[in-house]
Amino acid sequence: AQSVTQLDSHVSVSEGTPVLLRCNYSSSYSPSLFWYVQHPNKGLQLLLKYTSAATLVKGINGFEAEFKKSETSFHLTKPSAHMSDAAEYFCVVSEERYGQNFVFGPGTRLSVLP
Amino acid sequence: GAVVSQHPSRVICKSGTSVKIECRSLDFQATTMFWYRQFPKQSLMLMATSNEGSKATYEQGVEKDKFLINHASLTLSTLTVTSAHPEDSSFYICSATRTANSPLHFGNGTRLTVT
Repeated sequence: AQSVTQLDSHVSVSEGTPVLLRCNYSSSYSPSLFWYVQHPNKGLQLLLKYTSAATLVKGINGFEAEFKKSETSFHLTKPSAHMSDAAEYFCVVSEERYGQNFVFGPGTRLSVLP
Repeated sequence: GAVVSQHPSRVICKSGTSVKIECRSLDFQATTMFWYRQFPKQSLMLMATSNEGSKATYEQGVEKDKFLINHASLTLSTLTVTSAHPEDSSFYICSATRTANSPLHFGNGTRLTVT
């Protein structure tokens, strides 16, 4: 069965410093992996996705993530945090053999300090 | 592309009444739509999976008679909270996807408050 772990429930960084949000997954098949961002009282917006192409995936707003099969990780990074990046981030895994079954991580709240 | 519209964004209703929430895929055909409930500071809890033209599949613990889901077309799914109670107050979010492993596209959510 699939599962997703987001190791940090809350990450706090200063504006202009790098962001690292960690995600580890469990999957016995070739997974698709996604990162979503949720601002307060809003739906989720897709940041980026990995679907078995290039292992380094670039997304919107300067975010990128690297798929590392050996480490079963899909960490989200950004070189320089902006105040508008403060939000909740969800890592999601999906396996085609389970049909349209998406498993969400518990989320990481990112705070950006001035 | 891939816009999902969810209405209303906020609704306040009295106990015992029913509330309908709509989820529309505006520029694509959604083979599957999902309904979630989100409690404060928590992740999304999947309530049900809805395929066009067939009955929704509910997650364990979700009352199908209370949370009625209709997926009448490839672009529209509705969630009706029947006989609402204050404990049904929550943030409800829908998502839609074209095919398996296509990304989920989310609506902006509906804040339901039952008084």
